[in-house]
Amino acid sequence: AQSVAQPEDQVNVAEGNPLTVKCTYSVSGNPYLFWYVQYPNRGLQFLLKYITGDNLVKGSYGFEAEFNKSQTSFHLKKPSALVSDSALYFCAVRGIMEYGNKLVFGAGTILRVKS
Amino acid sequence: NAGVTQTPKFQVLKTGQSMTLQCAQDMNHNSMYWYRQDPGMGLRLIYYSASEGTTDKGEVPNGYNVSRLNKREFSLRLESAAPSQTSVYFCASSGRTVQGEQYFGPGTRLTVT
Repeated sequence: AQSVAQPEDQVNVAEGNPLTVKCTYSVSGNPYLFWYVQYPNRGLQFLLKYITGDNLVKGSYGFEAEFNKSQTSFHLKKPSALVSDSALYFCAVRGIMEYGNKLVFGAGTILRVKS
Repeated sequence: NAGVTQTPKFQVLKTGQSMTLQCAQDMNHNSMYWYRQDPGMGLRLIYYSASEGTTDKGEVPNGYNVSRLNKREFSLRLESAAPSQTSVYFCASSGRTVQGEQYFGPGTRLTVT
């Protein structure tokens, strides 16, 4: 069965510093991996995805993520955090053979960026 | 281009009451989904519809029913609401390809007293 772990409930970082939000996954076969962001009282917004190819994926708002197959990880990164990046971040995985395009989500990580 | 819309935005029900949450998408997507979001548990899939005319159970289907009315609309019904169904409900849609990301609606915040 597919599963996703986000080991940190909350990540705190100072504005201007680099940030990392961690994600590890378990899936049969090759994974499709996604990051979403949720701002307060809003729906989830798509940030980026890994399907195949280059292990470093670039997405919206200056975010990027690094796929590491040997460590089954897909950590979200940004070189310089902004206060406006403060939000709830979700990692999600879909198995390549999964019917119906179903995603399995992690529990989420709260990112707090302080000025 | 509205994307995914949901109604209502907020709802308070008494235990045992019924209601239907509405969802519509204008992106011509084949697949639609209903999730619930509870603190510390991420999003859990309730039901999904891979294409018009089909629906399947997700991770937490008990107490819910769904209808895929047409390609655009996918409704979620609570026949007899329970306090355990207090949650934020999100509808999402995605294109045919398994590579496609899902697009989410703004959510419905439901409280059952």
